[in-house]
Amino acid sequence: DTAVSQTPKYLVTQMGNDKSIKCEQNLGHDTMYWYKQDSKKFLKIMFSYNNKELIINETVPNRFSPKSPDKAHLNLHINSLELGDSAVYFCASSPEDQDEKLFFGSGTQLSVL
Amino acid sequence: LAKTTQPISMDSYEGQEVNITCSHNNIATNDYITWYQQFPSQGPRFIIQGYKTKVTNEVASLFIPADRKSSTLSLPRVSLSDTAVYYCLVGDMRLTGGGNKLTFGTGTQLKVEL
Repeated sequence: DTAVSQTPKYLVTQMGNDKSIKCEQNLGHDTMYWYKQDSKKFLKIMFSYNNKELIINETVPNRFSPKSPDKAHLNLHINSLELGDSAVYFCASSPEDQDEKLFFGSGTQLSVL
Repeated sequence: LAKTTQPISMDSYEGQEVNITCSHNNIATNDYITWYQQFPSQGPRFIIQGYKTKVTNEVASLFIPADRKSSTLSLPRVSLSDTAVYYCLVGDMRLTGGGNKLTFGTGTQLKVEL
């Protein structure tokens, strides 16, 4: 069983479109994250949710809207996609009292044409 | 958050010991040092974490000098499958509930050859 799973693995779309990436974790963790990895492999946190509550929002454009229906799921919706949004998006989760131990999904490669 | 500096790349051969050093001159008293490994097309994977002196697990060892301004990840007898990017992170582990803003730098690309 995959601990942190995200779909789709690849997403190719046109500028201006709206798309969503889904993430689910079966580890029982309370905290979930979205990270963005750019072409230079720099991996930066975007959002953090703890038990469905937004904890961190790192100056991400309003076009990005995370949604957490329950603590096992954290989805990312992106409106009006831009070329600069092309990157790999990783979902992650961490256990209670061990926020430094992140468990990552395998990533979603987003290509905006 | 303490900034970290590590080599962009390293090359090694199978069977050798690899040491990757990370500088973190501005490390704070409550900061821990954590290392992650990332294979192509995968998310990073937690390797090891330490606060001071030496930590060892089944995968690696982490050496931290007394001043804690640097740390060294040691991989014993590497194999081809250890080819990956290795990230050094420094952060305050007291923050819980999703408060940690752990940011990964560009990491060190380790290439292991036969």
